Amino acid sequence: EVQLVESGGGLILPGESLRLSCAVSGLSVATNFMSWVRQAPGKGLEWVATINSAYNSWYADSMKGRFTISRDNSRNTLYLQMNNLRAEDTAVYFCARLTDVWGKGTTVTVSS
Amino acid sequence: DIVMTQTPLSSPVTLGQPASISCRSSQSLVRSDGDTYLSWFHQRPGQPPRLLIDSISNRFSGVPDRFSGSGAGTDFTLKISRVEAEDVGIYYCMQASQFPYTFGQGTKLEIK
Repeated sequence: EVQLVESGGGLILPGESLRLSCAVSGLSVATNFMSWVRQAPGKGLEWVATINSAYNSWYADSMKGRFTISRDNSRNTLYLQMNNLRAEDTAVYFCARLTDVWGKGTTVTVSS
Repeated sequence: DIVMTQTPLSSPVTLGQPASISCRSSQSLVRSDGDTYLSWFHQRPGQPPRLLIDSISNRFSGVPDRFSGSGAGTDFTLKISRVEAEDVGIYYCMQASQFPYTFGQGTKLEIK
């Protein structure tokens, strides 16, 4: 069974950093396009970033330079390093193999 | 960036009646290889999105055949032939033909 389990969310102060993890089983992060998608409270879905098997990565404009997507093939885990967090980054962050496999999400709250 | 516009944003439907959601992209989603990456998702409160339709019209595994997708170029439609109670929630279209990937605003389906 394919499973994606996110972790690392929490309450954090503006300007601080956080790293999200996504433990993957049943598929290989090394050979799949893997992505992060977020959803602010009461809002729609927003694509965040994607990484492919060749370590190419793409980012939404509002996250470029602040967020970094990466993976550890040996741990079969996807990561999202988020720096200089803002209140508008508050959201549930989903790990996904777009389009067909999604985790349940981890909540990030940026607030003073 | 490609803007995805869904209509309507809210759709009250009678059980057993059909429903239709439109998704229009600001530019053609046809890639240079001829493929079109337009997907439809269903999301219930507190849950991750669930893939319904991939590549305009390919129903995902386990999705009831009352769901169908159609369209080409910039205009796409999701149809539910006979709405059931479990179909309530928010429906999103998403394009993955070009980075940055983008979602529609979402259409809330509710029962009259």
